Amino acid sequence: NAGVTQTPKFRILKIGQSMTLQCTQDMNHNYMYWYRQDPGMGLKLIYYSVGAGITDKGEVPNGYNVSRSTTEDFPLRLELAAPSQTSVYFCASSFSGEGSYEQYFGPGTRLTVT
Amino acid sequence: GQSLEQPSEVTAVEGAIVQINCTYQTSGFYGLSWYQQHDGGAPTFLSYNALDGLEETGRFSSFLSRSDSYGYLLLQELQMKDSASYFCAVRDDYGGSQGNLIFGKGTKLSVKP
Repeated sequence: NAGVTQTPKFRILKIGQSMTLQCTQDMNHNYMYWYRQDPGMGLKLIYYSVGAGITDKGEVPNGYNVSRSTTEDFPLRLELAAPSQTSVYFCASSFSGEGSYEQYFGPGTRLTVT
Repeated sequence: GQSLEQPSEVTAVEGAIVQINCTYQTSGFYGLSWYQQHDGGAPTFLSYNALDGLEETGRFSSFLSRSDSYGYLLLQELQMKDSASYFCAVRDDYGGSQGNLIFGKGTKLSVKP
């Protein structure tokens, strides 16, 4: 099992550019999540999905979009990148409901917007 | 509002015991998780408490008191490799999914020789 994989590992964007962060999991988890982590801070939930075709906003969704067409993939789209989106982005997955206390994280994408 | 409070930094020596506290105030509560994150790495799951009491997993133990909205992570026989950030996270019903975690800001543990 590869677990949760994310690409790219690093990216530098100019203000106003767009990009998609890729996330794939091979554990057949229904639940998937996108977080951002700013330096010295905890993780903030951007979007989450409880299954293919179902997504919902987390705490900090502005400036982002997601889709979930398959169980395995959960891409995060940044439109019109802004310096405030400079952060480390983690994708995670978990079993449903009661099992969601244990989330499996990908290695992260370090994004800089200049 | 939702908030989790934990100390920002803790320092201890190799072989010692350290306790990292977490107090929380959230609209819903299903349980308290703990995650470890080494510098530059991804968070990894350590333990979970849904009910009051102590859960032990090797050198690590976690405690929960729901009536006090309080929990802690206890690390025994500290090793240099335990130097990392530790996050408490409440499993909440945010958005109605019963699956979302709200994370604290983390406690940076430094283990000295």
